[in-house]
Amino acid sequence: EDQVTQSPEALRLQEGESSSLNCSYTVSGLRGLFWYRQDPGKGPEFLFTLYSAGEEKEKERLKATLTKKESFLHITAPKPEDSATYLCAVQSYTGTASKLTFGTGTRLQVTL
Amino acid sequence: DVKVTQSSRYLVKRTGEKVFLECVQDMDHENMFWYRQDPGLGLRLIYFSYDVKMKEKGDIPEGYSVSREKKERFSLILESASTNQTSMYLCASTTGGETQYFGPGTRLLVL
Repeated sequence: EDQVTQSPEALRLQEGESSSLNCSYTVSGLRGLFWYRQDPGKGPEFLFTLYSAGEEKEKERLKATLTKKESFLHITAPKPEDSATYLCAVQSYTGTASKLTFGTGTRLQVTL
Repeated sequence: DVKVTQSSRYLVKRTGEKVFLECVQDMDHENMFWYRQDPGLGLRLIYFSYDVKMKEKGDIPEGYSVSREKKERFSLILESASTNQTSMYLCASTTGGETQYFGPGTRLLVL
């Protein structure tokens, strides 16, 4: 059974204070690892997909990296508008290809 | 841009009522999904559909059913609503097993 664990559960940063969010996973065969951002009361918004260890993707102040056991979402010089819950999900080769298994998320608050 | 819409943002229903939640996507995606999201439990898959009239149970299908009569529309049905079905319901769609795109969600309260 695929499993995803995200840490920390909550993180409070000051504006400009860089940090990283962790996503640890166990899958029988990784097809893809996905990062989403979710604002309160809204649906998740897609950020990145990573497919193989060593891969990195960037978007503005966010950079996602992937190893064989975990993924990191690095946030460089965050701004208050980066405050949201960040969700990680994995897709494996077993079973139905489209299914995702989600972690419970990291709730990020960026203050002035 | 992919657009996934859900019929209601907020819904209040009574215990025992039959509840319909509708989801529509405009990108001709084959696969559609229904999740519920609860604090501390994350997103859990209820049902998904990989083609018209085709459906498969997810991790928590009990108390729910689905309908997909047209490719763009996927409905979630609560046969007899109960208070433990109070939750945020999220619909998603994708094609070919790639990125899932989510709707805005329906927050359901069952009294």
